[in-house]
Amino acid sequence: EAQVTQNPRYLITVTGKKLTVTCSQNMNHEYMSWYRQDPGLGLRQIYYSMNVEVTDKGDVPEGYKVSRKEKRNFPLILESPSPNQTSLYFCASSLSWGGRANEQFFGPGTRLTVL
Amino acid sequence: SQQGEEDPQALSIQEGENATMNCSYKTSINNLQWYRQNSGRGLVHLILIRSNEREKHSGRLRVTLDTSKKSSSLLITASRAADTASYFCACEDSNYQLIWGAGTKLIIKP
Repeated sequence: EAQVTQNPRYLITVTGKKLTVTCSQNMNHEYMSWYRQDPGLGLRQIYYSMNVEVTDKGDVPEGYKVSRKEKRNFPLILESPSPNQTSLYFCASSLSWGGRANEQFFGPGTRLTVL
Repeated sequence: SQQGEEDPQALSIQEGENATMNCSYKTSINNLQWYRQNSGRGLVHLILIRSNEREKHSGRLRVTLDTSKKSSSLLITASRAADTASYFCACEDSNYQLIWGAGTKLIIKP
């Protein structure tokens, strides 16, 4: 089944404790991205990657890191989480970018709480 | 920066009625997409309309695009309880990036 998976789905952590949220897609998609969703703010892009070893900042990259060593995986790293990073996080992928290739497939989400 | 803005923020209608949601944007776009999100879950792509298209249909969905007014509307006809969800528009800009709106929360009352 074609899908985007994220782990963990739920995470409660404390300020400053490094964490990684994994994202994997099995559709051979070139484009992957991370979003955070906060009430009333819609989706805001954190980072995106157009291909292996190519990553770029989105609208809200501060406090986050990503890597794209393999095409299928795009982990999100919070080196020193803070309470303002409490949010619902989504990984998404698309075949490529532009037009129909830009139709996004979303993972199920990771609800992160930073105490 | 946010470009797509949905209107209304929330909409509650009776089952069987039609639901209309609007999306406005600020700069030129390549295309506009609509997505649905069931509570707390991942978004699901519904329909894409290109900047040179004016109307598109998919089942009970009808999307229009008016580039002169920089706006789009999503119409769901004969609504069902299962249509209860949040709906988001996403505008693809000239750099192929998607800019998302804050969404319209749709509630279908049985």
